[in-house]
Formats: sequence, structure tokens, C-alpha cells
Amino acid sequence: GQQLNQSPQSMFIQEGEDVSMNCTSSSIFNTWLWYKQDPGEGPVLLIALYKAGELTSNGRLTAQFGITRKDSFLNISASIPSDVGIYFCAGRKGQGAQKLVFGQGTRLTINP
Amino acid sequence: DVKVTQSSRYLVKRTGEKVFLECVQDMDHENMFWYRQDPGLGLRLIYFSYDVKMKEKGDIPEGYSVSREKKERFSLILESASTNQTSMYLCASSLNPLLAGGSANTGELFFGEGSRLTVL
Repeated sequence: GQQLNQSPQSMFIQEGEDVSMNCTSSSIFNTWLWYKQDPGEGPVLLIALYKAGELTSNGRLTAQFGITRKDSFLNISASIPSDVGIYFCAGRKGQGAQKLVFGQGTRLTINP
Repeated sequence: DVKVTQSSRYLVKRTGEKVFLECVQDMDHENMFWYRQDPGLGLRLIYFSYDVKMKEKGDIPEGYSVSREKKERFSLILESASTNQTSMYLCASSLNPLLAGGSANTGELFFGEGSRLTVL
């Protein structure tokens, strides 16, 4: 089945640094979602994007729906230890599509 | 607050055993999903269900079956567990965007905490 291409696969950063990750696809998506998974837990929705070009923030997190509708970006500013985890992008192809397509995940590790 | 509950956080089974993973949601969602999560492979869809007694294969259904007898409950069944089924299993539920009038802001998945299965 199709998956989104998410990069980087892992990041090792210092506390306080900014973080950027992205997802790309050869197909067009109508919805982009970003999830975070804490160690030992299920993924939790961070940000949802519904329109091409949309830029949405949630605290220190900012995500953008690419203008081509084939990509999305997530930025985290001034990282803190609780940002550690795996971040997944997910896309939905149509308004009525029932399923999401997921990226492989970006594992974020923060050195204090 | 929305809630998806998976019955077991950790299971250890032997090769050939039958394994049931249970999932219950309290949000009256039409859709329910089972994913498995493996390092470097992200989340891969095993099966999903869009209504009671309805099911559809996902990307990796081989070796699995599912049951949806009630709207709130979706079970994943491994008829004869094998070592390559050692994984983290995630259940999720969502509204049906079509039944919500096609509103764009539906369809987000709500996940359970996961069930880590080890098959020896």
C-alpha cells in the first residue's frame, strides 16, 4: 500500500533547537495531519490541515499544507525534553475517504 | 473526552496460539481500524471496519482476521500466531466523513494506547 515519504527518519538535537520535518507524496491529498507518539503510547493528533497553503500553529508547533497538495511540513520551535517521541504525518485523499495514509515517522531525541 | 481502549498493553504468546486483541471506543464512531507499527515502517493498516459486521482488508491483512459485532468494539484475531507478528498493534476510530455531511474537519483518527505483542 502507498505510504508517504517522511524525512528525516530520526533527529538528535540539543534542547532549545528548532526542528523541521516533512512529508512528500506523488499523489494529491485533501487533508494533512500530524500526530505525535510518546514512548509506550498511541499517537495523538497535533495539527490538522484542510486547505492547500494553509499554515496552522499549535503552541510551539507550526505545520503547513503544501501548495501543490503533495507535501506538508512540521516545525517545532525551541524544543524541550517533552517533545521527545515519534512524529507521523498522515494524509487523506478525498473528502469522503475513510482511510489515512501514514508516513514512516520521525523519531526525535533531545539532548538536555 | 474521547477514549479508545485496548484490552491488553502487553502480551506474550507462543507460536501457533490463537490471539485476540480487543478494542473499544466510546465516541460512537462508525469507523474502526487496526494498524501494526514496526520500526522504520510506520503504521500499516491491517483491517478496517466502517460499520457493524462490515470489514475491509487494509494493506497487510494476511494472517489476521477481524470481528465487529457491535459498533463500539473491534477485535483483531491472529488465528495462529507467528514470530513475524511480533509488533505493536494500534487500534483507532474515526467519524465517517460522509455521514458528517462531508465536512472537511472529520476523519481524524483517535488511537488507543497500543498492544505490544511478542510471539515466541
